[in-house]
Amino acid sequence: EAQVTQNPRYLITVTGKKLTVTCSQNMNHEYMSWYRQDPGLGLRQIYYSMNVEVTDKGDVPEGYKVSRKEKRNFPLILESPSPNQTSLYFCASSALGGTGTYEQYFGPGTRLTVT
Amino acid sequence: SQKIEQNSEALNIQEGKTATLTCNYTNYSPAYLQWYRQDPGRGPVFLLLIRENEKEKRKERLKVTFDTTLKQSLFHITASQPADSATYLCALDKDDYKLSFGAGTTVTVRA
Repeated sequence: EAQVTQNPRYLITVTGKKLTVTCSQNMNHEYMSWYRQDPGLGLRQIYYSMNVEVTDKGDVPEGYKVSRKEKRNFPLILESPSPNQTSLYFCASSALGGTGTYEQYFGPGTRLTVT
Repeated sequence: SQKIEQNSEALNIQEGKTATLTCNYTNYSPAYLQWYRQDPGRGPVFLLLIRENEKEKRKERLKVTFDTTLKQSLFHITASQPADSATYLCALDKDDYKLSFGAGTTVTVRA
């Protein structure tokens, strides 16, 4: 079954404690991306990757890091989480077209609370 | 600055009627536009993609139009059913493969 998996699904942590949210896809997609979703603000792109070792900033990259060492995995790292990073996070993947991305396949989401 | 606006935050509609959602954008020149459905607590699910040279696209009871002159896409759900109740998001490719989403319109279909 084609899918994007994220772990953990729920996480409560304290300010400053480094954490990693994993994301994996089994569709051999080149493009992977992280979004955060907040009430009233919709989905905002944090980082994206067009292939292994190729990453770039989205609209809200501050406070986040990513890496793409393997095509299937795209972890999101919060080196020093702060309460304003409390949010619902989604990982997504898609094939790449000549002028942009195609349909995005989203993971189930990770609800992060930073106290 | 680039902006995507979806019409009202919420749309309530009677079962069997057509729901029409609007996605307006400014300062974009997207090659195509996508629509997604999101149920509470779940990730968005892709519905339709329409390219800039396509005026209209259909999938079962869904219809999307794309007017690059007006910078607008309309999303129609015909013969709506309570199971269509969800939040619907439009998304555009910005430059350099960044993807931007509208805030979404929540549709509630009353039986």
